[in-house]
Amino acid sequence: AQKITQTQPGMFVQEKEAVTLDCTYDTSDPSYGLFWYKQPSSGEMIFLIYQGSYDQQNATEGRYSLNFQKARKSANLVISASQLGDSAMYFCAMRGYNSGGSNYKLTFGKGTLLTVNP
Amino acid sequence: NAGVTQTPKFQVLKTGQSMTLQCAQDMNHNSMYWYRQDPGMGLRLIYYSASEGTTDKGEVPNGYNVSRLNKREFSLRLESAAPSQTSVYFCASTFGQPSGANVLTFGAGSRLTVL
Repeated sequence: AQKITQTQPGMFVQEKEAVTLDCTYDTSDPSYGLFWYKQPSSGEMIFLIYQGSYDQQNATEGRYSLNFQKARKSANLVISASQLGDSAMYFCAMRGYNSGGSNYKLTFGKGTLLTVNP
Repeated sequence: NAGVTQTPKFQVLKTGQSMTLQCAQDMNHNSMYWYRQDPGMGLRLIYYSASEGTTDKGEVPNGYNVSRLNKREFSLRLESAAPSQTSVYFCASTFGQPSGANVLTFGAGSRLTVL
């Protein structure tokens, strides 16, 4: 079974500063993918970044980077130069890849509510 | 580009009533999903359909049924609604390759209240 843990229910950051949102995971699958989604107050789910378990380098997408530490089973999201528009709920998610065919489930954590202060 | 379209956006039901949430995608995706989102619980998978003609239970399937009508459409039915099913429901889809970055595209959500 897959499990995603986000231990920070809420985080605050000053505008223009960097912030790290924590995510740890547990899986028995031989390979897996890790995702981060953003959900602003308007409710839509926005994909931010993906990291494959065999990717050699940490994923980056603009101001977003994923600090992937495989041995620690962590996949923290780093947002650099925070903006007011970054205030939202952030979800970490994982998909496991295995020969059993259950490659289609995306399991989500409970989320972290980020507030960016001016 | 419509993406994933869910209807209705809002619905109020009385306990015991039935209803169907509709979902359609126009991206030629193979896999489709239904999630529910409750405060403090994140998104929990109700049912998914890896490909046309198949459906499988997710984490919280009790009280729900699904139909993969065709490649585009995946409906979620509540046969006898209960207050515990008050939630925001999201439909999502992806190409569903067996590996790689299968990014889910989400619908806008359907807010259901059961009185």
